[in-house]
Amino acid sequence: DIQMTQSPSSVSASVGDRVTITCRASQDIGRWLVWYQQKPGKAPNRLIFEASGLEGGVPSRFIGSGSGTAFSLTISSLQPEDFATYYCQQADSFPLTFGGGTKVEI
Amino acid sequence: QVQFQESGPGLVKPSQTLSLTCTVSDASISSGDYYWNWIRQPAGKGLEWIGRIHTSGSTEYNPSLRSRLTISVDASKNQFSLNLSSVTAADTAVYYCARAYIGSWRYGMGVWGQGTTVIVSS
Repeated sequence: DIQMTQSPSSVSASVGDRVTITCRASQDIGRWLVWYQQKPGKAPNRLIFEASGLEGGVPSRFIGSGSGTAFSLTISSLQPEDFATYYCQQADSFPLTFGGGTKVEI
Repeated sequence: QVQFQESGPGLVKPSQTLSLTCTVSDASISSGDYYWNWIRQPAGKGLEWIGRIHTSGSTEYNPSLRSRLTISVDASKNQFSLNLSSVTAADTAVYYCARAYIGSWRYGMGVWGQGTTVIVSS
C-alpha cells in the first residue's frame, strides 16, 4: 500500500494567514493526488484533484501543488469558513489511501 | 442534485455481519458512468477506503478487508451495498458512500453521502 503522510497534524492560525499543509507519498504517484476538506460531523468535500486542479465552486485561495512524492495545499488567506480538517488521498493505485489529516484551528 | 443516503443498523454485535445500503437519488446507477465507493472513519480518526463497485459488477477491495468484504449493486433499486462479516470493535466507524466518475476516477470522489454511524458492541 502507498502510505500518505501529512504534516503538520494540526496548525493554529488566524484569519488572513497563509497556511501550507504538506503531504508525502511513500512512492511516486505522479500527480494523482486529491485534497479534501472535512468539517465536524460532515462528509469530506473535494477541493483539489490531480494535485492542482481546483474543484468547481472552490475559492481560488486554495492552491494545490506538487508531483511525484511531495505535495502541498496552501490556503493563501485563511477565512473563518476554512477552519476544518484537510486530507490528502492518492489515486495512483489500489488500495486508495488517505493521509492522516491536518486540523486547521483558530 | 444527486444525493446519497446510507442506511443500516447502527449497532452490530461482534462476530456478526455489518450490512449497509446506499440509496442514490436524482441519478441512475444504471448509467454506468460512475464507480460507487465505500469509505469509513473511526471517531476522531482518519479516512479509510473500503472498496468500490461498478454497475458491471467489477469491484476493487481494500486488501485489509477483502476476506470479510462484499460490495454489491442493485440497479433496480438504485442502490449499492456493503457487507462486512465477522466484525469487531475495530469496525466501529462512520461509513460513507461516495461516487467517482468513471472517466476521471483518479480525480477522487466528488459526491458523498452524509455518513452513517455503526457501533460494534455486544
